[in-house]
Amino acid sequence: AQSVAQPEDQVNVAEGNPLTVKCTYSVSGNPYLFWYVQYPNRGLQFLLKYITGDNLVKGSYGFEAEFNKSQTSFHLKKPSALVSDSALYFCAVRGAGAGSYQLTFGKGTKLSVIP
Amino acid sequence: DAGVIQSPRHEVTEMGQEVTLRCKPISGHNSLFWYRQTMMRGLELLIYFNNNVPIDDSGMPEDRFSAKMPNASFSTLKIQPSEPRDSAVYFCASTKQGGVAGELFFGEGSRLTVL
Repeated sequence: AQSVAQPEDQVNVAEGNPLTVKCTYSVSGNPYLFWYVQYPNRGLQFLLKYITGDNLVKGSYGFEAEFNKSQTSFHLKKPSALVSDSALYFCAVRGAGAGSYQLTFGKGTKLSVIP
Repeated sequence: DAGVIQSPRHEVTEMGQEVTLRCKPISGHNSLFWYRQTMMRGLELLIYFNNNVPIDDSGMPEDRFSAKMPNASFSTLKIQPSEPRDSAVYFCASTKQGGVAGELFFGEGSRLTVL
């Protein structure tokens, strides 16, 4: 069975500081990894994904994530946080095998950027 | 292009009543997912359709829940009879299955409150 762990329920960071939201995963075979963001009373919005290739993936709104196979991690990062980045962030994993469709989400991490 | 469209956005009903949630996926997408989001359990996959056919309904909580996809542009999730524990936000998501792993596109959700 595949799973995702987001060890921090909440992350607080000052505006302008770098931010990291942690994610580790477990899946059979190679993973497809995703980050989504959810603003209050909205649906989930896709930020970025890792499929193959370069371990550093760049996505929307200046976010990036680093795939680390040995540590089975896919941490989300941003060099300089904005107040508008405050939201709920979800990491998700899917197996890369043919026929694999189920995207398993973590519990989410609430990011608060303090002015 | 229009995104995934869900209706109603909010539904308040009394225990025992029938609830029908509706979803219109993005045109050209051949896979559709229904998720439920609660504080306690996070995001749970309820059912997955591919080319209008239900592939995996193992996440449907019990027989009170049913889902249909009569054509490529419409799906419903029905709860009959509804119970207070069904209160949650229900999301519909779609994607184009078959190519390189594509991200899910989520609707804005239907917030259900069962009194």
